[in-house]
Amino acid sequence: DTVLTQSPALAVSPGERVTISCRASESVSTLMHWYQQKPGQQPTLLIYLASNLESGVPARFSGSGSGTDFTLTIDPVEADDTATYYCQQSWNDPWTFGGGTKLELK
Amino acid sequence: EVQLVESGGGLVQPGRSMKLSCAASGFTFNNYDMAWVCQAPKKGLEWVATISYDGSSTYYRDSVKGRFTISRDNAKSTLYLQMDSLRSEDTATYYCARLNNSGYVGNWFAYWGQGTLVTVSS
Repeated sequence: DTVLTQSPALAVSPGERVTISCRASESVSTLMHWYQQKPGQQPTLLIYLASNLESGVPARFSGSGSGTDFTLTIDPVEADDTATYYCQQSWNDPWTFGGGTKLELK
Repeated sequence: EVQLVESGGGLVQPGRSMKLSCAASGFTFNNYDMAWVCQAPKKGLEWVATISYDGSSTYYRDSVKGRFTISRDNAKSTLYLQMDSLRSEDTATYYCARLNNSGYVGNWFAYWGQGTLVTVSS
């Protein structure tokens, strides 16, 4: 299985720029997607195909990368961005998710 | 507005069966592949199974192959997950998700339901 590795947690202040990384154990081309899950809620789609912003998602969110290294950037971070962020690949079978990065606001 | 509403979760004994349902609305159900994703308590997300828009193709993660069956009724706009021989490690919230389009490679989870909790315990 393709293992996606994310840092477990980050803490930033509102107004700052934050980058959340996702490293794949093998190439996934650009078939990487990002989701936000707020406490007690279902996940929602933020970014698809590595760098495409889902409709309705604030332009503060952006994605980049290809192959094995991917990044989700939030700039500037707002208090409402407190959540866990997951990457997910759909190039290799089975589809896999990263372990999630919990973003906390200072 | 896309809506996905899961039902059928609850407490079940190990080795028993349970069937989850997901009622879809707000889009043309038979145009989209659908999937189930689970999340164990305090853990991350895990893809479970996917079914093509017409039900002709299904895909499963290895740990549920032979035990879980994904199916759909396009006339009722409903997705199902039949779970047999349940184990304690199947305990999780199960989310129904609509994929972006059809096709296994390259797809993504565009919409998610609110989830239904399945607890496998004696």
